[in-house]
Amino acid sequence: EVQLVQSGAEVKKPGESLKISCKGSGYSFSRYWIVWVRQMPGKGLEWMGIIYPGDSDARYSPSFQGHVTISAGTSTSTAYLQWNSLQASDTAMYYCARTLSTWDHDAFEIWGQGTMVTVSS
Amino acid sequence: EIVLTQSPGTLSLSPGERATLSCRASQSLSSNYLAWYQQKPGQAPRLLIYGASSRATGIPDRFSGSGSGTDFTLTISRLEPEDFAVYYCQQYGSSLRTFGQGTKVEIK
Repeated sequence: EVQLVQSGAEVKKPGESLKISCKGSGYSFSRYWIVWVRQMPGKGLEWMGIIYPGDSDARYSPSFQGHVTISAGTSTSTAYLQWNSLQASDTAMYYCARTLSTWDHDAFEIWGQGTMVTVSS
Repeated sequence: EIVLTQSPGTLSLSPGERATLSCRASQSLSSNYLAWYQQKPGQAPRLLIYGASSRATGIPDRFSGSGSGTDFTLTISRLEPEDFAVYYCQQYGSSLRTFGQGTKVEIK
């Protein structure tokens, strides 16, 4: 079964760092693009960025560039989303998803279950 | 940035009725790179339609997508109880992928 399994919920304080994960299984992890999507409480979906695990080519939405880092490890079949300094406004559900095909310009077919990040003092 | 505007914001219908959801893009989408997703409370989104009109694996044929250029439509021919959810359109042709703001289909 093709699936993405994300790490568990996190509660952090402003200014702290965080790295959440997304582990793929059931397919060739290095060949499909992984995206990260934010959903703030009660709000819609926002595309944050995308990475090709095969060569770690990562691209970001201007809205998130410089605030988060997307990375991936092929040996562990895991993608990561990282913050160096969290803000209260980072409180949200974060989803990873895999593209339908091995091309980056494609729909998001397989989704992780989401990781809830809460940032509060 | 390509802005996607969905309408209506909320659609109140009864089971068995037909639902028609609209998604309008601020500029023409290359190769109809438009997808539709369904999201139920507490769940991750689920891909329904890609390429504007192709159903994803396992999606019932009561879901259909149409349109081209800047105007796209998701139609649910006969609403089942499990179809009441929020629906998002998304374009994936530009370097900055964007989502519409969503249409909630609620039980009347």
